[in-house]
Amino acid sequence: NAGVTQTPKFQVLKTGQSMTLQCAQDMNHNSMYWYRQDPGMGLRLIYYSASEGTTDKGEVPNGYNVSRLNKREFSLRLESAAPSQTSVYFCASSGGLLNTEAFFGQGTRLTVV
Amino acid sequence: KQEVTQIPAALSVPEGENLVLNCSFTDSAIYNLQWFRQDPGKGLTSLLLIQSSQREQTSGRLNASLDKSSGRSTLYIAASQPGDSATYLCAVAANQAGTALIFGKGTTLSVSS
Repeated sequence: NAGVTQTPKFQVLKTGQSMTLQCAQDMNHNSMYWYRQDPGMGLRLIYYSASEGTTDKGEVPNGYNVSRLNKREFSLRLESAAPSQTSVYFCASSGGLLNTEAFFGQGTRLTVV
Repeated sequence: KQEVTQIPAALSVPEGENLVLNCSFTDSAIYNLQWFRQDPGKGLTSLLLIQSSQREQTSGRLNASLDKSSGRSTLYIAASQPGDSATYLCAVAANQAGTALIFGKGTTLSVSS
């Protein structure tokens, strides 16, 4: 009963390096989301995918790109990491209908030095 | 723009006490409201989902209420235990960003034995 799986769990990057955070769900959910969580700021939406083949910007999209590879997988890419992107990143999914529950992965703790 | 506020930001109670956590939102046009629990360094665990047409939901010692017209929800925890110590997050799904959840900043609960 995996739910939402994120990889990696921890990552340290140097400024300017790139990386991709992976997310996969096994609940046949239509919608998937990427959030970042920072102290004092709460969880903020970076990008979302309402259904397979579509992606849209959330509240804080600058410096990120996403790919909805298929219905199961939604990846987040940092092309040129900056210290301001040090954060904990969470992937989530939901059925996408109006009244379904959202489920979250365990998070990726990213440090950019 | 929907905003979610949680009061208080932190709460300390002795074991056995009943307590209430508060959540308010600025736009009553929501699809649902969800309460989560987050332990330090961990992901989010869904506690209760209240659909927009419902007034309350119960799970064990937890009871969540929703008053859409006034933009408020409460999470009632009965007979608190040290294991209830965590951060509790309230989030609403509204007609924006593909019904992605919009989060409050949370209430950090500490239950002492």
